[in-house]
Amino acid sequence: EAEVAQSPRYKITEKSQAVAFWCDPISGHATLYWYRQILGQGPELLVQFQDESVVDDSQLPKDRFSAERLKGVDSTLKIQPAELGDSAMYLCASSPSMGEQFFGPGTRLTVL
Amino acid sequence: DQQVKQNSPSLSVQEGRISILNCDYTNSMFDYFLWYKKYPAEGPTFLISISSIKDKNEDGRFTVFLNKSAKHLSLHIVPSQPGDSAVYFCAGGGGSNYKLTFGKGTLLTVNP
Repeated sequence: EAEVAQSPRYKITEKSQAVAFWCDPISGHATLYWYRQILGQGPELLVQFQDESVVDDSQLPKDRFSAERLKGVDSTLKIQPAELGDSAMYLCASSPSMGEQFFGPGTRLTVL
Repeated sequence: DQQVKQNSPSLSVQEGRISILNCDYTNSMFDYFLWYKKYPAEGPTFLISISSIKDKNEDGRFTVFLNKSAKHLSLHIVPSQPGDSAVYFCAGGGGSNYKLTFGKGTLLTVNP
């Protein structure tokens, strides 16, 4: 069964350091999403790609966060510099079209 | 502004009984709604969805009801099983980019 892959699963970093997360969506899925889930909250959309283009990054803190999907397949989310408040689960999801989104296992980030 | 609200942080039921998880929304532009289930340290898994033009959708033990006039939906699980113990997220979707907005989740515990 096809799955969304994410790495690393866990990341511990010190504040002010740079971190990067990788996502490989289900093959053929044109739409890719990055979410942030803080403990006790639901996932919140950070950025949405349609192929290699950003279609929504209104909630992405652009002073420190960046995301790219250069070839329209896998994607990288970067935080530089990391802050204590960035500690959260970062989820990647993909979708062939409207409706159901398939989520990866997530990356648990802890900023010390 | 919380567009999707799950007002019960937790719910506990006995195995074999019905579990009812509730969700309220404020955004009239949502075209469809989805329920996701999430185990600790895993990404959300899609359960069931419903289009805004329907009032009921059923899939095995899971049924979702939508009351558009009340802007309310509910997920019924019958019969509940211990393996159903997880956090359940309600999400509304719509618009040109099919963006999902999630509630905060309800922790369901099914006791043997």
